[in-house]
Amino acid sequence: DAGVTQSPTHLIKTRGQQVTLRCSPKSGHDTVSWYQQALGQGPQFIFQYYEEEERQRGNFPDRFSGHQFPNYSSELNVNALLLGDSALYLCASSPGIHSGANVLTFGAGSRLTVL
Amino acid sequence: AQSVTQPDIHITVSEGASLELRCNYSYGATPYLFWYVQSPGQGLQLLLKYFSGDTLVQGIKGFEAEFKRSQSSFNLRKPTVHWSDAAEYFCAVGKIQGAQKLVFGQGTRLTINP
Repeated sequence: DAGVTQSPTHLIKTRGQQVTLRCSPKSGHDTVSWYQQALGQGPQFIFQYYEEEERQRGNFPDRFSGHQFPNYSSELNVNALLLGDSALYLCASSPGIHSGANVLTFGAGSRLTVL
Repeated sequence: AQSVTQPDIHITVSEGASLELRCNYSYGATPYLFWYVQSPGQGLQLLLKYFSGDTLVQGIKGFEAEFKRSQSSFNLRKPTVHWSDAAEYFCAVGKIQGAQKLVFGQGTRLTINP
């Protein structure tokens, strides 16, 4: 049973460019959230998607946007990249907002470097 | 606002020794607490969680943690560490059961001396 899969694994962009990161949730999970982990820091919550809608959002600018598809997979888009956007982007899935004992399953992440 | 503090950025212990990683949280209501481990190049793996009930929780890989409400702490322990335990450990707090928004601490990097 595949867990959470993310692509690409690594990518390099330049300032001002746009990037799209992709995530497939674990089988049976329908809720996806995204986290940003800067070097030497803990992950920070970006947003959560359920039923193709953004349900919660952390303290991130509008340059960060997302989407969830009918098959529950998700994309994270970042526009007008800044050097400070360099980080590991983690996707996490769970069985659903309304399920009990909700535990997140994390993917291995996408490492973004902005030059 | 919720917050998590892991006072120790880096800890070194000898293989076979005991381990305790500290975690303090700030949250007004009953917290939902987690410990995750991250190996280099890997995502986060859940070690254990506390939602309610017994304040001493057992996790995978021989880890345990104790919730102490009076001290706002949720320290992680292991009686005997192995070289394979070298990794980054993160404590996290969630607002409500089922919440996706976890607040993480800065992490504690664990090094094991042979």
